[in-house]
Amino acid sequence: KNQVEQSPQSLIILEGKNCTLQCNYTVSPFSNLRWYKQDTGRGPVSLTIMTFSENTKSNGRYTATLDADTKQSSLHITASQLSDSASYICVVRASSTGGGNKLTFGTGTQLKVEL
Amino acid sequence: NAGVTQTPKFRILKIGQSMTLQCTQDMNHNYMYWYRQDPGMGLKLIYYSVGAGITDKGEVPNGYNVSRSTTEDFPLRLELAAPSQTSVYFCASSYSILEQHTRPSEKLFFGSGTQLSVL
Repeated sequence: KNQVEQSPQSLIILEGKNCTLQCNYTVSPFSNLRWYKQDTGRGPVSLTIMTFSENTKSNGRYTATLDADTKQSSLHITASQLSDSASYICVVRASSTGGGNKLTFGTGTQLKVEL
Repeated sequence: NAGVTQTPKFRILKIGQSMTLQCTQDMNHNYMYWYRQDPGMGLKLIYYSVGAGITDKGEVPNGYNVSRSTTEDFPLRLELAAPSQTSVYFCASSYSILEQHTRPSEKLFFGSGTQLSVL
């Protein structure tokens, strides 16, 4: 069964500090891994998409890494801001020749940035 | 562009009532999806469509129906609402990009969600 596990479940950090969120997956065959940011009361917004051949990808202060061998990914947030407070969701796509997107969603890490 | 627009934002239904959740996108995307998000759970795919006139079931389709008469619109219908359908519903759309390895890679664009309570 395809699964995506994220840790920690929740995290509180002070503004300006860095943090790293973890994602472990057992999706097979692997196609790509995405990180989404979901603000409270809003839909998820894409941060990065990585295929098996990419081991790091940045989007501003967000840097995602992927180790396809160990099936792990991390999302590093640098110099956190209050606006980074959100749920961060790891999503893994399985390869498919049929229709649908074969996405498995993690339950998210709830990040709170405080003054 | 407005992106993906969902209506309503909130709704309370009584058991057995029916309703339609509306979703429209103005990005000319071929692919559209309906997900539900339950507390402490990852998003689950209800139905999806790869183009006008084509729909298919996702992981959790029971109790729902969809139609796709135009590229822009993808409404989700609940015929006999049940408490188990209390959830937040998200519509999403995407285009399919062929990567260098000729595998599709879709970036999903989500609407802002509909909070539905069935009492």
